[in-house]
Amino acid sequence: EIVVTQSPATLSVSPGERAILSCRTSHSISTNIAWYQQRPGQAPRLLIHRASTRATGIPARFSGSGSGTEFTLTISSLQSEDFAVYYCQQYNRRFTFGPGTKVDFK
Amino acid sequence: EVQLVESGGGLIQPGGSLRLSCAASGFTISGDFMSWVRQAPGKGLEWISVIYKDDSAYYADSVKGRFTISRDNSKNTLYLDMKSLRVEDTAVYYCVRDLATVLDYWGPGSLVTVAS
Repeated sequence: EIVVTQSPATLSVSPGERAILSCRTSHSISTNIAWYQQRPGQAPRLLIHRASTRATGIPARFSGSGSGTEFTLTISSLQSEDFAVYYCQQYNRRFTFGPGTKVDFK
Repeated sequence: EVQLVESGGGLIQPGGSLRLSCAASGFTISGDFMSWVRQAPGKGLEWISVIYKDDSAYYADSVKGRFTISRDNSKNTLYLDMKSLRVEDTAVYYCVRDLATVLDYWGPGSLVTVAS
């Protein structure tokens, strides 16, 4: 099984600042990674797939990068609606999710 | 517009059974893979089952032998039959459209609470 880890567990950011979230996998998965946003009380929403492709309707301030075992989600300028939990998920062999990074207000 | 709406959750005693339904609209479930993902209170996401176009199904080890995924194409509805429920099965259960590489549309979820 491919293990997915995320860091940091919590990221405190002020509105307008940049946030950089990290995701690592225990084995190389090429670019088979996706990122999801989950706001309180809501279902997760797909943000990024294939490591760097934004899903339909996702603002350009969200960008993804990486390949192999290390991946990054960058939010270039945080808006109030971006304070949420972010999960990465690998799909090299069935789905496994990371534990999440909570982005909260500094 | 793609929509998924789960129903059937509730409070159930340990050892009991429950069936979740997921009504889909805006697309035909028979043409896609469909998955269930769950989230225990305050915890992360756990994929638990998928059904493929040929009706073959796969399960996470945590639910294998106890849960069964199925669908009724005439009703465009996905199901999850859960038996021998345990306290640790308490979670919000999400119905999700599965594109094999990503989970692109999620329902709002249905809470299942297993407690005596």
